[in-house]
Amino acid sequence: DIQLTQSPSSLSASVGDRVTITCQASHDITNFLNWYQQKPGKAPKLLLYGASSLKTGVPSRFSGSGSGTHFSFTISSLQPEDIATYYCQQYDDLPLTFGGGTKVEIK
Amino acid sequence: EVQLVQSGAEVKKPGEFLKISCKGSGYRFSNYYIAWVRQMPGKGLEWMGIIFPGDSDTRYSPSFQGQVTISADTSINTAYLHWSSLKASDTAMYYCARQGSAVVSPSDYWGQGTLVTVSS
Repeated sequence: DIQLTQSPSSLSASVGDRVTITCQASHDITNFLNWYQQKPGKAPKLLLYGASSLKTGVPSRFSGSGSGTHFSFTISSLQPEDIATYYCQQYDDLPLTFGGGTKVEIK
Repeated sequence: EVQLVQSGAEVKKPGEFLKISCKGSGYRFSNYYIAWVRQMPGKGLEWMGIIFPGDSDTRYSPSFQGQVTISADTSINTAYLHWSSLKASDTAMYYCARQGSAVVSPSDYWGQGTLVTVSS
């Protein structure tokens, strides 16, 4: 199985801050990486696919980059409604696997 | 509008059988994989497996192979996740998600989740 290591596991930032999360894959997954947002008590929601493609309707303050084994996810200006846990997921090979998640809180 | 609606919360005893469902609407159900994802209390997401309803092609994560069964009924646009004998460790939230028309693809729409509690 392809392992995904996300960091940090949690972070606290102020409204308006730039927030970055990283995801490292145990094997080269080209750009087959998704980012999901899960708000408390809710189902996950797809934000980005193909490492950097924004799903239609997702605010442009969310972005992603990377290829191979190193990826990053950025919120350019943190908003109160962005409080959630964020997960990366690889879809290069079965079984699909998720990173451990990053909980984002407001300072 | 694409929607996945899951069956309601369940409370079961160890050793019991359970089948939970996920009904798709707003798209051609047969043409997209449905994935099942487990989230244990306070923990992260775990991909369990997928089914292509059009031909019942089913794949499992090794971690869940033999522990659960995934099936689908295209006549009623519904996918299922079932256990023949529940364990306390099966207590979790279970999500279904539409995974696209390729066996490896993003999950672009998710159900609301089904909470399964297994306790004696």
